[in-house]
Amino acid sequence: DVQMTQSPSSLSASVGDRVTITCQASDDISNHLNWYQQKPGKAPKLLIYDASNLEAGVPSRFSGSGSGTDFSFTISSLQPEDIATYYCQQYDNLRPLTFGGGTRVEIK
Amino acid sequence: QIQLQESGPGLVKSSETLSLTCTVSGGSISGYYWTWIRQPPGKGLEWIGYIYYSGRTNFNPSLESRVTISVDTSKNQFSLNLSSVTAADTALYYCARVVRFRFDRWGQGTLVTVSS
Repeated sequence: DVQMTQSPSSLSASVGDRVTITCQASDDISNHLNWYQQKPGKAPKLLIYDASNLEAGVPSRFSGSGSGTDFSFTISSLQPEDIATYYCQQYDNLRPLTFGGGTRVEIK
Repeated sequence: QIQLQESGPGLVKSSETLSLTCTVSGGSISGYYWTWIRQPPGKGLEWIGYIYYSGRTNFNPSLESRVTISVDTSKNQFSLNLSSVTAADTALYYCARVVRFRFDRWGQGTLVTVSS
């Protein structure tokens, strides 16, 4: 399995802050990484695909970068509606597809 | 706009089989891969497996011996069976559409509790 390690597991930031989450893969996964947002009580929502491509309709304050084993996800200016848990997901190894453990983002 | 809706029993007895169905509306099930993902209460996401509309499947090796996923294109549905369940299978179960190995549309999820 490709293990996906997200950090931090949780963070607290102020509205307007720049927030960065990292995801490290146990093997080289090229750019085969997606990012999801899960708000409390809701299903996850795709935000970023192929490491850096913004899904249609997703605000431009969200971005992703990286390749190989090290990836990052950034919210350029944190908004109250961004309170959620964020997950990375790799698809380089299909058996199995795996998610990171999640990063919970809260407002300070 | 495509929508997915999970349905099935919310309570399953230990050692029995969990059965869920995902109904796709607003679009055809044909031409896509479809998947099941679960989330134990308060925990992270675990991929269970996916199926192509033609019936080709791929499963998480950790669950493969107990999982069946099938598709019914005439009903625009796909289904999950998970046998010999235990308390560890208690989770929120999601169905989702797969596009180039990203999950771009999700159902709202259905909670399945395994009771002893």
